[in-house]
Amino acid sequence: EDQVTQSPEALRLQEGESSSLNCSYTVSGLRGLFWYRQDPGKGPEFLFTLYSAGEEKEKERLKATLTKKESFLHITAPKPEDSATYLCAVPGRNQAGTALIFGKGTTLSVSS
Amino acid sequence: GAVVSQHPSRVICKSGTSVKIECRSLDFQATTMFWYRQFPKQSLMLMATSNEGSKATYEQGVEKDKFLINHASLTLSTLTVTSAHPEDSSFYICSARTSGGLANIQYFGAGTRLSVL
Repeated sequence: EDQVTQSPEALRLQEGESSSLNCSYTVSGLRGLFWYRQDPGKGPEFLFTLYSAGEEKEKERLKATLTKKESFLHITAPKPEDSATYLCAVPGRNQAGTALIFGKGTTLSVSS
Repeated sequence: GAVVSQHPSRVICKSGTSVKIECRSLDFQATTMFWYRQFPKQSLMLMATSNEGSKATYEQGVEKDKFLINHASLTLSTLTVTSAHPEDSSFYICSARTSGGLANIQYFGAGTRLSVL
């Protein structure tokens, strides 16, 4: 069964304190791994797609990396505005053939 | 990135009434749209996949007669919650999938908070 597991469930950081979020997956034939950011009461906002092991993508203070079994979202010198829930997803099997399977997310709180 | 508009953002209705939620892709055509439901502190659960011009495909356990989906054009899909009851109260989110150059990325609407009294 296709699965996505994210850890930790919640993470509290001080402003400027760098850290990493983990996303491990089990899926047959990876067709991309997606990172989204979700603010409370809003829909997810697309951040990155990674397709092959060793691939890295960066956006401002965020960098996503991918191995054969997991992905990391590194946050460098975070600011309070980075506080959100970060969701990881992979395309998996569903009734229609293809849809994203989401992890439960990591809720990040950055205090000043 | 591509923009998906979802309307309304919040609706409060009486038990037994029907509620329609619209999802529009504003700057791209989406042959496939998805409808999700999200409970507090939970992740997104796929309800159905909506394909333009054909019937939606529902996930196991989702009642197709209760959650009517129409995808009449390449930029619009609607979800109608029929005869809503308090247990249908939730956060409903749609997404539209791009194709080709943007590599099948799903872009999400802002969500609709449904409260059934």
